[in-house]
Amino acid sequence: DQQVKQNSPSLSVQEGRISILNCDYTNSMFDYFLWYKKYPAEGPTFLISISSIKDKNEDGRFTVFLNKSAKHLSLHIVPSQPGDSAVYFCAATYYTGANSKLTFGKGITLSVRP
Amino acid sequence: DAGVIQSPRHEVTEMGQEVTLRCKPISGHDYLFWYRQTMMRGLELLIYFNNNVPIDDSGMPEDRFSAKMPNASFSTLKIQPSEPRDSAVYFCASTSSGWSYGYTFGSGTRLTVV
Repeated sequence: DQQVKQNSPSLSVQEGRISILNCDYTNSMFDYFLWYKKYPAEGPTFLISISSIKDKNEDGRFTVFLNKSAKHLSLHIVPSQPGDSAVYFCAATYYTGANSKLTFGKGITLSVRP
Repeated sequence: DAGVIQSPRHEVTEMGQEVTLRCKPISGHDYLFWYRQTMMRGLELLIYFNNNVPIDDSGMPEDRFSAKMPNASFSTLKIQPSEPRDSAVYFCASTSSGWSYGYTFGSGTRLTVV
């Protein structure tokens, strides 16, 4: 059972436009959410995160929005650049006091066209 | 710091053979994770260690899979015997205790079982 769902396997956008990557989760215990970015032949790297006490977190061109009632989060990239072309993984976790394992989605392949 | 180091980068083996994947975490990190990436399931957590002790191995698919962490600077994931359906990219990640946004992934081992 996928607790973190990225239902769209791919997205293609024009350079300079907005990219919106969506993610849904089913486990109501999740209280911390992250996005990772992965280039071919490399491991995923941390991009941005958000705590459940917030509904928005911004870092430069990247903004993550969280809608707890809908169990939905999204990553906005504005403006999109060709170097943003990569696989984006949504991940979630909840704090248990000691362990902090991440549950990942399947990933979305973003292609930014020049 | 050289980051999380995985070896080999690529492994091609015949069905039935034993395969050993290796990981060196970042010095000072006390959590180590093994993930597997496939198109169908995305990034799946196989097992993780805290202070060299296995904490959760519920993601290990079968008894053919085993993992060890004999010391703080080395871990192995072994598959014996290997099967074609084990073909995937295997990632190792490490982080320091407390919270999970600090995962650092290795570059992965691409395993092909023919």
